Amino acid sequence: GENVEQHPSTLSVQEGDSAVIKCTYSDSASNYFPWYKQELGKRPQLIIDIRSNVGEKKDQRIAVTLNKTAKHFSLHITETQPEDSAVYFCAVHFQGAQKLVFGQGTRLTINP
Amino acid sequence: EAQVTQNPRYLITVTGKKLTVTCSQNMNHEYMSWYRQDPGLGLRQIYYSMNVEVTDKGDVPEGYKVSRKEKRNFPLILESPSPNQTSLYFCASSLAGGPKDTQYFGPGTRLTVL
Repeated sequence: GENVEQHPSTLSVQEGDSAVIKCTYSDSASNYFPWYKQELGKRPQLIIDIRSNVGEKKDQRIAVTLNKTAKHFSLHITETQPEDSAVYFCAVHFQGAQKLVFGQGTRLTINP
Repeated sequence: EAQVTQNPRYLITVTGKKLTVTCSQNMNHEYMSWYRQDPGLGLRQIYYSMNVEVTDKGDVPEGYKVSRKEKRNFPLILESPSPNQTSLYFCASSLAGGPKDTQYFGPGTRLTVL
């Protein structure tokens, strides 16, 4: 079946340090992997995505890496700032299905 | 302003009283979907629609209905709400690529069923 596991569920880091969140998925044919950020009381918003034909994508302090062989992808945030505090969701588009399956979410807290 | 709107934003109701949550987008998006968000479970898709008059079940469709009579609107209907449908609901829309395009979420509807 279509399964996405996200870890850790909570993550606390010092301001300026890096944060890494990992997701694993079940279907090797999956081809689209977005990350959404949800600030407290707000709606989820896309922050970065990667498609299956590339292994890494960067956007300023945010990067996503994809390992198709191992069926996992990760979100990397460098030089963390207080405004990075939020819940982050990974998602996977499973080939042949017209839907996204989301991970359980990671609550990231940046400590000053 | 391009946006997805939902109404109501907050709703407290009682078991068995039919309700409808509206969702509207002004971006001419083909794909629309409904999610529910529960602590520790992430976002789970209830129903989705690829275009007008085309709808299909997501992962948790039991107890919900939808319709897509117009491109811009995608209401969520709870015919007989139960307490286990207490949740935060999000509508989302995207371009023709559907789940492979950026999802634009509405502001959310917090539903409590007593």
